[in-house]
Amino acid sequence: EDKVVQSPLSLVVHEGDTVTLNCSYEVTNFRSLLWYKQEKKAPTFLFMLTSSGIEKKSGRLSSILDKKELFSILNITATQTGDSAVYLCAVCTVEYGNKLVFGAGTILRVKS
Amino acid sequence: DAGVIQSPRHEVTEMGQEVTLRCKPISGHDYLFWYRQTMMRGLELLIYFNNNVPIDDSGMPEDRFSAKMPNASFSTLKIQPSEPRDSAVYFCASSFGTHSNEQFFGPGTRLTVL
Repeated sequence: EDKVVQSPLSLVVHEGDTVTLNCSYEVTNFRSLLWYKQEKKAPTFLFMLTSSGIEKKSGRLSSILDKKELFSILNITATQTGDSAVYLCAVCTVEYGNKLVFGAGTILRVKS
Repeated sequence: DAGVIQSPRHEVTEMGQEVTLRCKPISGHDYLFWYRQTMMRGLELLIYFNNNVPIDDSGMPEDRFSAKMPNASFSTLKIQPSEPRDSAVYFCASSFGTHSNEQFFGPGTRLTVL
């Protein structure tokens, strides 16, 4: 069975801290890994990663994939209270099509 | 673009009643997904369609759940009869093409079955 595991389950930090969120996966067919941010509504897309070792960056957020060790990390530097959310990792597991398997998420709370 | 539209946003019903959730995907998207999110199980894929055809319904929990996509701009997820354990947030998402995995999510329907 395809599995996506995120850690930690939850995290509380202070504004300005740097955080690293982890996502490991065991799937039969890997096509891509995606990160989403979910506040009190629908998940919104952050990154899609397909190649090992290539960092994707957007402002204070960055992410990298290791296809050999089957994991990805999401880094957030200089955290702000607006970064408080659930961060979801998902893996696309089909050759054709867009079926995603989601992890349980990491709840991040940034205190001011 | 209005994004993915779902209705209703909130639904409270009694056990045994039929519930119908509705979704309008982003125009031009050829994939549509139905997810269920609970605290216990996280975000689970129920079913997805490609060009209005169901491709994978292995996540549909029971025969009480059914989904249809009569045309490219409308889909329904029906639960009949509903049970308290069906209480969850149901998301619809859509995407375009086989090479872009990014899915755009609707605002969700929060279902409470009493």
